[in-house]
Amino acid sequence: DAGITQSPRYKITETGRQVTLMCHQTWSHSYMFWYRQDLGHGLRLIYYSAAADITDKGEVPDGYVVSRSKTENFPLTLESATRSQTSVYFCASSIGGAGDEKLFFGSGTQLSVL
Amino acid sequence: SQQGEEDPQALSIQEGENATMNCSYKTSINNLQWYRQNSGRGLVHLILIRSNEREKHSGRLRVTLDTSKKSSSLLITASRAADTASYFCASMNSGYSTLTFGKGTMLLVSP
Repeated sequence: DAGITQSPRYKITETGRQVTLMCHQTWSHSYMFWYRQDLGHGLRLIYYSAAADITDKGEVPDGYVVSRSKTENFPLTLESATRSQTSVYFCASSIGGAGDEKLFFGSGTQLSVL
Repeated sequence: SQQGEEDPQALSIQEGENATMNCSYKTSINNLQWYRQNSGRGLVHLILIRSNEREKHSGRLRVTLDTSKKSSSLLITASRAADTASYFCASMNSGYSTLTFGKGTMLLVSP
């Protein structure tokens, strides 16, 4: 009954550090997504994955890395965090392609880069 | 780039009143979706309307779609304080095979 879970809920890090945000879903949905939400910009897509081992860039991929070795997990890594990456990050999943399917969102990770 | 843009940015009403939010988009779509976000939480899907539909209802929600004007509206009837949230429209961006969200309308319903 867990659905889609993100961890950690809050994270504070320093510029230049590597940080990984975790996302886990229990539905075996094919598609998973990472969005960031910033005031004035709404939600912007970072990366998405159509299946295990298949990932693709979204609107704002620079500075981020993703992997999807298992269907249920889709971690997002900031290789060298910058202040501009301070944001709220949302993971989402859908059964099929997002155009025809609704997205299910996690509760988000609030990341602060000092 | 934003595919959908909501209007107004913020809306304040009293309980029992109706709330109308509008969404305009740029390119042709297969469908358009509306989501709600309560403060500090993830988005929750409300309704999906396909390009060949003009109107759709779900409980107190009514969504219309005008593909000739590239616009949609979300009407919440008999608003309640619990409807206080941000509302987003989302549609397929022709550059990707994924949803693109607008910046949202922040709705405040006062008791």
